[in-house]
Amino acid sequence: AQSVAQPEDQVNVAEGNPLTVKCTYSVSGNPYLFWYVQYPNRGLQFLLKYITGDNLVKGSYGFEAEFNKSQTSFHLKKPSALVSDSALYFCAVRGYQNNLFFGTGTRLTVIP
Amino acid sequence: DVKVTQSSRYLVKRTGEKVFLECVQDMDHENMFWYRQDPGLGLRLIYFSYDVKMKEKGDIPEGYSVSREKKERFSLILESASTNQTSMYLCASSTPAAATYEQYFGPGTRLTVT
Repeated sequence: AQSVAQPEDQVNVAEGNPLTVKCTYSVSGNPYLFWYVQYPNRGLQFLLKYITGDNLVKGSYGFEAEFNKSQTSFHLKKPSALVSDSALYFCAVRGYQNNLFFGTGTRLTVIP
Repeated sequence: DVKVTQSSRYLVKRTGEKVFLECVQDMDHENMFWYRQDPGLGLRLIYFSYDVKMKEKGDIPEGYSVSREKKERFSLILESASTNQTSMYLCASSTPAAATYEQYFGPGTRLTVT
């Protein structure tokens, strides 16, 4: 069965420092992986996805994610955090048919 | 840009009431989804639909039903609302034609059942 795990409920980082939000996955077959962001009282916004190809995927707002098959991970990264990056981040994996299975979310707080 | 709209941002209902949550998408997407979001649990799939008049149960369908009479509209129905259905409800759509499987979300409806 497909699933993703986000081991950290909360990540705090100082403004200007690099940030990492962790995600590990479990799938049968090739994984299709996604990151979404949710700002307060809003729906989810798509950030980036990995389908195939280069292990480093670039997305919106300067975010990128690194696909690591041997570690079954898909960590979200940004070289320099902004206060406006503070939000709830969800990792997801494609499941059966066209469904997505979401992680439990990681709240990122960027401290000025 | 894909636009997914939900009929209400905030809704307060009483226990036992029948509740309708409406979702409309404007991109002619075949697939539509209803999730509920609870702290610490992430998003859980309630129902989804791949075409008009088609529906499939997700992971937590109990206490819910859905209706899809038109391609652009997907309704979630709480037949008899209960306090444990207090949650944020998110609708999403996607198209298999893109072969990317990413979903586009509405702004959510925060439902409180008292």
